[in-house]
Amino acid sequence: DAGVIQSPRHEVTEMGQEVTLRCKPISGHDYLFWYRQTMMRGLELLIYFNNNVPIDDSGMPEDRFSAKMPNASFSTLKIQPSEPRDSAVYFCASSLGRGRETQYFGPGTRLLVL
Amino acid sequence: EDKVVQSPLSLVVHEGDTVTLNCSYEVTNFRSLLWYKQEKKAPTFLFMLTSSGIEKKSGRLSSILDKKELSSILNITATQTGDSAIYLCAGRGSYNTDKLIFGTGTRLQVFP
Repeated sequence: DAGVIQSPRHEVTEMGQEVTLRCKPISGHDYLFWYRQTMMRGLELLIYFNNNVPIDDSGMPEDRFSAKMPNASFSTLKIQPSEPRDSAVYFCASSLGRGRETQYFGPGTRLLVL
Repeated sequence: EDKVVQSPLSLVVHEGDTVTLNCSYEVTNFRSLLWYKQEKKAPTFLFMLTSSGIEKKSGRLSSILDKKELSSILNITATQTGDSAIYLCAGRGSYNTDKLIFGTGTRLQVFP
């Protein structure tokens, strides 16, 4: 199994630009999670999906952030417009869910907004 | 508000030492607690613990949960430089949610 796949691995952009992060979960996993990690705040859950439906988006910082999961094998996290404070590592994770399964993390996207 | 607190924030030891990392949790309808190891990339799963109090072991690592104290410890014996990483603890609440609440982690550095 290839594990959770994320792209790009690194992204450098200028303030105000749109950023799109992509994730392919492990095949068969029906839960998908987006996290953000910073030195100051640690690992924070932004949003998670079950069977492509957003279940909890209470961690999404503001309207500039949006996430979609059009099918079971693909999800995007979009930031528009981006700001320097969005600089962080963004992780995608997937699991079989049902409260008993561990989450498997992708390699992350390191985002730097100048 | 649910929260998970880890201590210490940082730990520096020499190879061969034994370390104990701490995690305390306040999670509504607590179901389980997970430990992850994060080196330079993504967190990788170590253990999942429940209120059963059963200790989990894997090689030199072991972990147990104290449901009375709402806490867990992760022990690493005979540390090696390869154990250097950030160790993350996460709490999971009600059965009908898969949301994990992460602590900020303990950064462990093991020197030769």
